[in-house]
Amino acid sequence: DAGVTQSPTHLIKTRGQHVTLRCSPISGHKSVSWYQQVLGQGPQFIFQYYEKEERGRGNFPDRFSARQFPNYSSELNVNALLLGDSALYLCASSLRGAENSPLHFGNGTRLTVT
Amino acid sequence: GDSVTQMEGPVTLSEEAFLTINCTYTATGYPSLFWYVQYPGEGLQLLLKATKADDKGSNKGFEATYRKETTSFHLEKGSVQVSDSAVYFCALMEYGNKLVFGAGTILRVKS
Repeated sequence: DAGVTQSPTHLIKTRGQHVTLRCSPISGHKSVSWYQQVLGQGPQFIFQYYEKEERGRGNFPDRFSARQFPNYSSELNVNALLLGDSALYLCASSLRGAENSPLHFGNGTRLTVT
Repeated sequence: GDSVTQMEGPVTLSEEAFLTINCTYTATGYPSLFWYVQYPGEGLQLLLKATKADDKGSNKGFEATYRKETTSFHLEKGSVQVSDSAVYFCALMEYGNKLVFGAGTILRVKS
C-alpha cells in the first residue's frame, strides 16, 4: 500500500506570494495533520483535520489555512509568504483523529522563500 | 504548555558503541511518549512508543522506558551501526492526535 504522499517535493517562492501544498493520506485514514519543520528544529504542529473538520490548530498566524476534501486528501495554504516560512512541511495521516492513533508521516515538501 | 527537551547533538560514536540519547518532558497529564527517526531527505518514521508509566518500547535494537518519576524517556541501543546515523526526535502526545516534538539529536556513527 502507498504511504502518505506529498506534492510537490520541493518548491521555491518569492516573499509575498502564496503557496499550496498537497497531501494524500494512507488509504482508509480519515485524519490528516500538518507540521512545519524549520532547519535544525523539531516539527511544530500546524493543523489537524478529521472527517473534513478542523480538530486542532497550532500557534500559527492566519496566513496559514488548510482544508480536507471528501476523499480525505488535504491542502495547506500559506499566503503572503515570509522568509521565515522556509521549512520542510510534513503531512501525517492516521486512522482516527483520536489519541494514540499512530501518525504516519510523508517525506515532506521543502519550501524555500527568497 | 507541554514540552520535550532532548540532549543536544551531534552525538558521534564508533560502530558497536553504546548509545544513550536523553529525553525529558513536561506535561500536565499522562502523555504517550514516542521516538521518531529521520533519515536524510526523508520524513519521520516511528521508532518506538510507550503509552503508560513503566512501559518499555523497543524496536530494531532500540529501547526506551517511560519513567514517570523522572519524567524521562531516554533512548538506548547496545551496539550502534553506521546505518543508525540519522536525527532522532523524542515526542509526546497528550490530547487528541497532536505531537509535541523535541529539537532532535543528530547521531553520527563512524565505521
